[in-house]
Amino acid sequence: EPEVTQTPSHQVTQMGQEVILRCVPISNHLYFYWYRQILGQKVEFLVSFYNNEISEKSEIFDDQFSVERPDGSNFTLKIRSTKLEDSAMYFCASSEKPVWDKNQPQHFGDGTRLSIL
Amino acid sequence: AQTVTQSQPEMSVQEAETVTLSCTYDTSESDYYLFWYKQPPSRQMILVIRQEAYKQQNATENRFSVNFQKAAKSFSLKISDSQLGDAAMYFCAYTNTGNQFYFGTGTSLTVIP
Repeated sequence: EPEVTQTPSHQVTQMGQEVILRCVPISNHLYFYWYRQILGQKVEFLVSFYNNEISEKSEIFDDQFSVERPDGSNFTLKIRSTKLEDSAMYFCASSEKPVWDKNQPQHFGDGTRLSIL
Repeated sequence: AQTVTQSQPEMSVQEAETVTLSCTYDTSESDYYLFWYKQPPSRQMILVIRQEAYKQQNATENRFSVNFQKAAKSFSLKISDSQLGDAAMYFCAYTNTGNQFYFGTGTSLTVIP
């Protein structure tokens, strides 16, 4: 069964540095998402992306965050100037249709653990 | 704002027994969707079951069923005949007709052999 893949599995970065988290969604999927999960807390929605543009974003997704689909297969999340509080597990997800569409679940990747020092 | 609350951080169940995980939510929308996701130790979240708010009938998927009480804004998950492989973190989630998901804080389920 096709999977969403995320790289790297663990990223360690100095505070203030830029980091790019990479995701390869399932190939026929059109909707892409990023979530984060701070250790011990709930999963939080960051952003959804469709038709090469952001369709929705949460209040967490401020100017230091950006997303891109640079080459038709990868979907990246960039954090421009990382802060300590950005340390979290970041999950990418994709779906063929909108998540509320019948029988169209999001498929999640295994996540990237981001540690900011 | 939409919120999802899971009041049970941890639950345990004997193998082969039944357990119910609680979830409540807050919304002013009339059309929305509710989900239960399972996150095993391998970390990838998997959809367990889904409920459309306009449907009165409770969703069922094999050993998993929900008790959807729209007026009470309650959406509990019942796992029957619990198996060791059911041990995981379970997240309740909500979305309306947008693409933004709201997750609860999760319930860690332990299955006792």
